[in-house]
Amino acid sequence: EAGVAQSPRYKIIEKRQSVAFWCNPISGHATLYWYQQILGQGPKLLIQFQNNGVVDDSQLPKDRFSAERLKGVDSTLKIQPAKLEDSAVYLCASSLVRLQSYNEQFFGPGTRLTVL
Amino acid sequence: GQQVMQIPQYQHVQEGEDFTTYCNSSTTLSNIQWYKQRPGGHPVFLIQLVKSGEVKKQKRLTFQFGEAKKNSSLHITATQTTDVGTYFCAGNYGQNFVFGPGTRLSVLP
Repeated sequence: EAGVAQSPRYKIIEKRQSVAFWCNPISGHATLYWYQQILGQGPKLLIQFQNNGVVDDSQLPKDRFSAERLKGVDSTLKIQPAKLEDSAVYLCASSLVRLQSYNEQFFGPGTRLTVL
Repeated sequence: GQQVMQIPQYQHVQEGEDFTTYCNSSTTLSNIQWYKQRPGGHPVFLIQLVKSGEVKKQKRLTFQFGEAKKNSSLHITATQTTDVGTYFCAGNYGQNFVFGPGTRLSVLP
């Protein structure tokens, strides 16, 4: 079974530039998560999709971050404009179901973003 | 707000010693998950606990969920160098997951 795919693996940009990340979840997984993991910290949930609908985006900085999951499969996360504090690893995860059901999350390899 | 804490932040053990990390939530959880992240890697699911007082074992790993469903622990018996990594708990509050800051385990051979 193929895992969660993410691209690019690494990205270096200057502050105020824009960047986009792509994620392709495991086939058949309805739930997709985007996390931000700053070095030395635990993953922080940015947004959660159920199919192509948003379940939770309470911690997404909506003035600069946006995400979409067209057709309920792959997803993109965009930052525009980037700030220095956005330097982090952006992890995408997917699961079969959400909420209180058994919902093991499968993580992709992540995209390491460096903002200079 | 919902907050998940973990202690200790770091733990250095000699190979063969035991290791325990503790996870505490500010409010009652629907369930809790544990993940392991190797250096340079991504989180990998270990287990999910749902019931109050639940105890699950995976070989040398023992997971417990507190009676009040506000705390959990992971115990590793006789650590090995392959256990090196950061262990995260992730609390499920019904609508969203909140990860703890993790406990970084170093195992000296």
